[in-house]
Amino acid sequence: DAGITQSPRHKVTETGTPVTLRCHQTENHRYMYWYRQDPGHGLRLIHYSYGVKDTDKGEVSDGYSVSRSKTEDFLLTLESATSSQTSVYFCAISATMERAQPQHFGDGTRLSIL
Amino acid sequence: AQTVTQSQPEMSVQEAETVTLSCTYDTSESDYYLFWYKQPPSRQMILVIRQEAYKQQNATENRFSVNFQKAAKSFSLKISDSQLGDAAMYFCAYREGGAGGTSYGKLTFGQGTILTVHP
Repeated sequence: DAGITQSPRHKVTETGTPVTLRCHQTENHRYMYWYRQDPGHGLRLIHYSYGVKDTDKGEVSDGYSVSRSKTEDFLLTLESATSSQTSVYFCAISATMERAQPQHFGDGTRLSIL
Repeated sequence: AQTVTQSQPEMSVQEAETVTLSCTYDTSESDYYLFWYKQPPSRQMILVIRQEAYKQQNATENRFSVNFQKAAKSFSLKISDSQLGDAAMYFCAYREGGAGGTSYGKLTFGQGTILTVHP
């Protein structure tokens, strides 16, 4: 299994509080991604990174920011959490864009915002 | 923007039988990749099979095979000899091809199909 650790695994917090989710990889892969999973929508891309300090927005980036100061860590921040951001969040990594190189996923973080 | 559609929210199959999960996609690109991921109740995302669009031959991985119809933009997953452990949510995913460009390997997922396997 790819060495991807997401923390925390579960979190419950209140509306308006800041939340940071961490993705840590031990594979030295260049590309990292944050997705959210919601019923009826599958997984949707929030932000992604193609190198240290190189990040860009995905399909559903409003209300989220990211940072990647080291190859191994990709942080997702909800500056002021809202109930609509209750979801399961997945981090994924990929070594290369060559051929059909798949993304490997972490085990997800279940985030509940009350 | 690319879209991926899984029109079957739920499917069921008897153990040892065969089931086919449907996936269609919309793209104007000619170079791309398609994937099926399995998500069991443990929430893990497990790669099942992948297909490169330029390959005419359908991908096969043990009991899992695909029917890739490029002109029809269809990518269905066939599971043969279904087992209880196949019960899961299955996601179809699309990725633009090319080692360069600006796609950066972003995946577009379908809505998912929940597969139930009856003993």
